[in-house]
Formats: sequence, C-alpha cells, structure tokens
Amino acid sequence: DAGITQSPRHKVTETGTPVTLRCHQTENHRYMYWYRQDPGHGLRLIHYSYGVKDTDKGEVSDGYSVSRSKTEDFLLTLESATSSQTSVYFCAIHRDRGNGYTFGSGTRLTVV
Amino acid sequence: QQPVQSPQAVILREGEDAVINCSSSKALYSVHWYRQKHGEAPVFLMILLKGGEQKGHDKISASFNEKKQQSSLYLTASQLSYSGTYFCGTDRQGGSEKLVFGKGTKLTVNP
Repeated sequence: DAGITQSPRHKVTETGTPVTLRCHQTENHRYMYWYRQDPGHGLRLIHYSYGVKDTDKGEVSDGYSVSRSKTEDFLLTLESATSSQTSVYFCAIHRDRGNGYTFGSGTRLTVV
Repeated sequence: QQPVQSPQAVILREGEDAVINCSSSKALYSVHWYRQKHGEAPVFLMILLKGGEQKGHDKISASFNEKKQQSSLYLTASQLSYSGTYFCGTDRQGGSEKLVFGKGTKLTVNP
C-alpha cells in the first residue's frame, strides 16, 4: 500500500477544545500536505511541509497550525475548534514534481 | 487561484464518452487528475507536465494545452467503475510544489 496513515479516522469534539490530527508516512518523502474537503469546495490546502521543521501556509490556514519534527510525521492542530472546522481532513505525500500525490484515508472531524 | 472545472456533473450510460475540462487563469507547470469515490480518498490518475502533452492509459486519457492553461480528461467507452468525482489539481509555473484543486466534476455511469 501507499504507506500513509491518518489518525484518528473519526473524531467528535466540542467547540473551543484543541484537536490534533496525525499523518504518518513510511516512505520518507519530503513533501507532505494537509487539505480539508467540504461539499461544494473541493480540496483546499491548509498547510504543507517541504522538510523537517519547514512548513508554509495554504489558502485556508487561519485557526490551524502544523508541526513536523520528524520526516515521517506531520501534525495538524486546531488551536480552538469551531463548528466551521467540521470537515473531512486529508493528508497527502508527494515524492517530487513529476509524480502524483498519495492521499491518506482521511479524518472525519465533527465540532459540536 | 482555484482552477475551474466543467461540467459540474455528468450522467452517462455505460459505453458512452465524456470530457471533463479544467482551466486556470495562471501559467501552469503541471496538471494532475484524480478520481474520488464516495467515502474514499482521492486516487491519482495521471500528471501532465508539458504543453500540448497528451497521456492516457486504458480508456482514460488527458491533454494539456500550456498556452491556453487548460487541460481536458477524456473517458471513452465508460464503465460503471468510472463513477466518482474527478478533480484536477494545478501547480503554477515557478510556484512551490503545492496543488490547487478544482471543485470537482461528479460523473455517474448508469447501466
């Protein structure tokens, strides 16, 4: 298989609580991404990483932070969850510009 | 800036053909195509890197017109398994290695 796993797969949390989603890869790829998917919006980039401790913002980064202390792990943190952050979150890995992305199975997050 | 996909949805009978278009207002380095089935992750189909390039495997192919900043995905003799939502992702020329995805085209193939 692709060697990328996301955890948890499902989570329900309360408004105002911090939440951390984990993406783990076994393929040692440099590039990792966090996208959210909402009906009518497609996939929107939250943050991405191009190496350990090297991260940058995407188009919908407000309210989110990321960390990458090891090549294999890319963490997404919702600092204080809001109902607008209810979504399906996908992590992706990318070997290089000549290849496609491989997506994780997704995390369905519900903020109540 | 998000690429524009058209149509938003298409319904076919098995064996019919379809074309899905993707256009951008920015100069592009590459165009990716992905298919996503309901409740699953997007799956990579193909990448087009050069202007005027055309690629394909089996009955699914794609073209990329670099000058027009447009790409089209061609599905011929559609099968039931082709049903799903198709996304194009674009990587701007000179930009960092991050894809911006269109909103998707929902394809339904009926028997």
